[in-house]
Amino acid sequence: QSALTQPVSVSGSPGQSITISCTGTSSDVGGFNLVSWYQQHPVKAPKLILLQVNTRPSGISGRFSGSKSGNTASLTISGLQAEDEADYYCCSYSSSDTWVFGGGTKLTVL
Amino acid sequence: QVQLVQSGAEVKQPGASVRVSCKTSRNSFIDFYIHWVRQAPGQGLEWLGRIIPKSGVTIYAEKFRGRVTMTSDSSITTSYMDLSRLTSEDAAVYYCAKDGGRHDLDSWGRGTLVTVSS
Repeated sequence: QSALTQPVSVSGSPGQSITISCTGTSSDVGGFNLVSWYQQHPVKAPKLILLQVNTRPSGISGRFSGSKSGNTASLTISGLQAEDEADYYCCSYSSSDTWVFGGGTKLTVL
Repeated sequence: QVQLVQSGAEVKQPGASVRVSCKTSRNSFIDFYIHWVRQAPGQGLEWLGRIIPKSGVTIYAEKFRGRVTMTSDSSITTSYMDLSRLTSEDAAVYYCAKDGGRHDLDSWGRGTLVTVSS
């Protein structure tokens, strides 16, 4: 099972919007609406910010949104804030009843 | 919010095995999957496998089959992850995480640092 493909890094200024892509295959991202996204600050455990492509858990800001087209899912963060600077990981359920993560994307808020 | 309490840091020699434990609250233990994920220094997240504590049914990532074993003890609501034949590439923080019921990992332990060194 190969890792999902994410850009290594993205950046944006406060107030702007950024999008992080997550590309897999028809056996994972494209085959199920079961993509989740995680935010990880340095030396912290990951935190769930989106599930089932575009559902926000309780307590997660509406500035975080998700979408999917074919084998690519996307995370959009609008109204960037300094506290959004972190690593972001996508994760998908796959047809082999396993889960696979993306390689992670480092978000820098300029 | 469900709490997952993991065991402390471990230092192991190459070739040895390590066991990491993850204690959860009773309700969560019975109803949901527990996943194990690791993160090598400066690297991304890697899924190792998951267990259904109520039944003990497991599934492992292909990369770790034959080397990883996940078990659970319902009497103390604790799950375990054993990894054998350790090499330097297994040095990482190992996390347990609860499945939220929609194939999402909604609660995470704080992680257990495993160091592999002779």
